[in-house]
Amino acid sequence: DARVTQTPRHKVTEMGQEVTMRCQPILGHNTVFWYRQTMMQGLELLAYFRNRAPLDDSGMPKDRFSAEMPDATLATLKIQPSEPRDSAVYFCASGSGTGVEKLFFGSGTQLSVL
Amino acid sequence: EDQVTQSPEALRLQEGESSSLNCSYTVSGLRGLFWYRQDPGKGPEFLFTLYSAGEEKEKERLKATLTKKESFLHITAPKPEDSATYLCACGGGSNYKLTFGKGTLLTVNP
Repeated sequence: DARVTQTPRHKVTEMGQEVTMRCQPILGHNTVFWYRQTMMQGLELLAYFRNRAPLDDSGMPKDRFSAEMPDATLATLKIQPSEPRDSAVYFCASGSGTGVEKLFFGSGTQLSVL
Repeated sequence: EDQVTQSPEALRLQEGESSSLNCSYTVSGLRGLFWYRQDPGKGPEFLFTLYSAGEEKEKERLKATLTKKESFLHITAPKPEDSATYLCACGGGSNYKLTFGKGTLLTVNP
């Protein structure tokens, strides 16, 4: 049963520390999305890759967030330095096509920055 | 700017009590309207895609409909296992970006 795998599931860290979240998209999918979910804002798009190329990261605070796809089986989202306001659930999703299509979401990384 | 508004924010039903969830959208050039289900501690799970006004899709006790301004998710004779947050999302214009609503938390009591 194909699924998007995210690690870690939970992360507690102190303000100022680096956080790295990893995502393994479904094999054969060519689009990868990073979303952040909070009670106040709901789901917000942070970054979007198609065929491993970053096409949009306008939703990310550029000074502290970075997203990469070193290869087709791995996407990473880094926060350095982390701040308490970054506390949220971060989801990775993958799909096949141009982007406006059915997406498959991972189970998310619950991040708490103290 | 694309906007998606879902109502109500929360809905509590008795088992077997049918109802509807609403998703109002303002999207330039709608390319697709999506419904997702999200269980606690999990990522959203795809339910339906609707592409044009008048279209309907069904899956078990759920039926999604679409007009030019809104979509409804009808739940017929719900069961406790239908309890979840239901998310609506729209993709519009020439880009790939999905704009999500904040969801409706549905609770079905036995």
